[in-house]
Amino acid sequence: GQNIDQPTEMTATEGAIVQINCTYQTSGFNGLFWYQQHAGEAPTFLSYNVLDGLEEKGRFSSFLSRSKGYSYLLLKELQMKDSASYLCAVKGYAGNMLTFGGGTRLMVKP
Amino acid sequence: AAGVIQSPRHLIKEKRETATLKCYPIPRHDTVYWYQQGPGQDPQFLISFYEKMQSDKGSIPDRFSAQQFSDYHSELNMSSLELGDSALYFCASSRQGANYGYTFGSGTRLTVV
Repeated sequence: GQNIDQPTEMTATEGAIVQINCTYQTSGFNGLFWYQQHAGEAPTFLSYNVLDGLEEKGRFSSFLSRSKGYSYLLLKELQMKDSASYLCAVKGYAGNMLTFGGGTRLMVKP
Repeated sequence: AAGVIQSPRHLIKEKRETATLKCYPIPRHDTVYWYQQGPGQDPQFLISFYEKMQSDKGSIPDRFSAQQFSDYHSELNMSSLELGDSALYFCASSRQGANYGYTFGSGTRLTVV
């Protein structure tokens, strides 16, 4: 089975940096995804990691350590519009579906 | 660029009624997924189709069924609706082997009263 853990809520200040952690225990691993979801809207793809290391994409970066079952999403130069839920999702060996963690609700304050 | 199209956007049904949700994937995407997301919850995988055949099955109730048609659109059929079925239903599509995950549709908000 899959077990994915993220903090439920985080608060940060506009212009700051925030790191959202995700730990997972899965029966197989074939990639980890981060999605952003605003309330009532569809999740949108942010990043994908399948090998250890850091993937940088503009203000967002994602890190993966497969041996530790650990990933984080780093958001720099926070903007008010970054207030959203951030979902960590894992693809296992069996099938192509993603299993989502509970999501982290990030609130960015002025 | 074309996105995943879902219809309807909103649907209100009474208990014990039936509902049909439709999904039109991105052209050339060969896999369609259905997810259910309750209020404040993460998306829960229901079922997926690859090249019109069911490929994976998640926590889909027996009251629900789904299929993918020859034009690759998919329909989720829900019968004997219960209050607990009220949720956002997302369809997503992808291409096998792609490393960008899914592209989600805007979802159908189903309210059962």
